[in-house]
Amino acid sequence: NAGVTQTPKFRVLKTGQSMTLLCAQDMNHEYMYWYRQDPGMGLRLIHYSVGEGTTAKGEVPDGYNVSRLKKQNFLLGLESAAPSQTSVYFCASSPRRAGGNQPQHFGDGTRLSIL
Amino acid sequence: AQSVTQPDIHITVSEGASLELRCNYSYGATPYLFWYVQSPGQGLQLLLKYFSGDTLVQGIKGFEAEFKRSQSSFNLRKPSVHWSDAAEYFCAVEKSNYQLIWGAGTKLIIKP
Repeated sequence: NAGVTQTPKFRVLKTGQSMTLLCAQDMNHEYMYWYRQDPGMGLRLIHYSVGEGTTAKGEVPDGYNVSRLKKQNFLLGLESAAPSQTSVYFCASSPRRAGGNQPQHFGDGTRLSIL
Repeated sequence: AQSVTQPDIHITVSEGASLELRCNYSYGATPYLFWYVQSPGQGLQLLLKYFSGDTLVQGIKGFEAEFKRSQSSFNLRKPSVHWSDAAEYFCAVEKSNYQLIWGAGTKLIIKP
């Protein structure tokens, strides 16, 4: 099983460039999430989705946009990259809650550097 | 507001020694609590979770955690660590049906 797959794994951008990070899951999960991970700060939620066609803001949404056109895919976009967006980005998914929270399944991350 | 504190940024333990990683949470109701592990260059993997019932929870890889409501803690333990346990460990508490609040993580270093 592939689980959660993130594309690309590494990317270097120049300030002002745009790019899209792709997350794909093959577990038929309803919920999907985008996090960023910075040293000493743990995981911070950027945006999330509770189903196809839905998105919502997390803790640090500024500078990012997302789309969930298909249930299995969750895209994270940077319209105009800034050095402060240098980070490791993780996508996660989880099943719909049914009587108890379900654990999140993570991809291996995308390491993004903005010069 | 809900929060999770992992007081130790780094912990160094000798191989074969016991381990305890601390996690304190702030939450009004009975929390749903999680421990995840992150190996270098990889995503996070669930170690164990607590929803209700028995306050001692068993997880994968020989880990266990104990929920103590009076201390607002959910500490992770392992009786004997292996070199392969070197990783970063994250505690999390459920904020809502969809969201978790994460601690900053504790990096575990294993001395040979």
